Amino acid sequence: DVVLTQTPVSLSVTLGDQASISCRSSQSLEYSDGYTYLEWYLQKPGQSPQLLIYEVSNRFSGVPDRFIGSGSGTDFTLKISRVEPEDLGVYYCFQATHDPNTFGAGTKLELK
Amino acid sequence: EVQLQQSGAELGKPGTSVKLSCKVSGYNIRNTYMHWVNQRPGKGLEWIGRIDPANGNTIYAEKFKSKATLTADTSSNTAYMQLSQLKSDDTAIYFCAIRGDWYFDFWGPGTMVTVSS
Repeated sequence: DVVLTQTPVSLSVTLGDQASISCRSSQSLEYSDGYTYLEWYLQKPGQSPQLLIYEVSNRFSGVPDRFIGSGSGTDFTLKISRVEPEDLGVYYCFQATHDPNTFGAGTKLELK
Repeated sequence: EVQLQQSGAELGKPGTSVKLSCKVSGYNIRNTYMHWVNQRPGKGLEWIGRIDPANGNTIYAEKFKSKATLTADTSSNTAYMQLSQLKSDDTAIYFCAIRGDWYFDFWGPGTMVTVSS
């Protein structure tokens, strides 16, 4: 199975700071069709996950442009510039390139 | 508006089974894949498996192959997951989600399953 290793486990920030989360895969996530099915989700307490980024770098409708996804192959990053209060929660990367699909272990973004 | 309505909280005894439901409105489940994800208390998200309701084909994560059974009823637009041989480790919130071609489009609110004697 593909293992997604997220770092850091937790991230303490001041509002307005930049935050960066890494997601490293044990195998390349480029599918045979040329697409890379790597997504980022944010889960706030008591809520279902919400999609932020799909196919590495595409922002979902309504997601602010301070969320930037990048990477290729096995190495991916989610950057949040100018963290705002509504950005706090747990971030997960998820891969749908390989079966079984898998989530990273999560990164908790909290206030310093 | 697309809505996923999940069944209510379950309290199951060790060794028994529970069957969770996920009724979809506003979206024909024949045109998508239904996925299930769990989250143990204080832990991260874990992918359980998916079903193609159009043909019943399923894929499971290895650790859930003998634990979860996914089914779907296209006539009622509902997906189901049966969890068997419950253990305390199965205590978790279980989410259903619709996945289109590129991402999870919609999520259910989750069903809490508590395993206790």
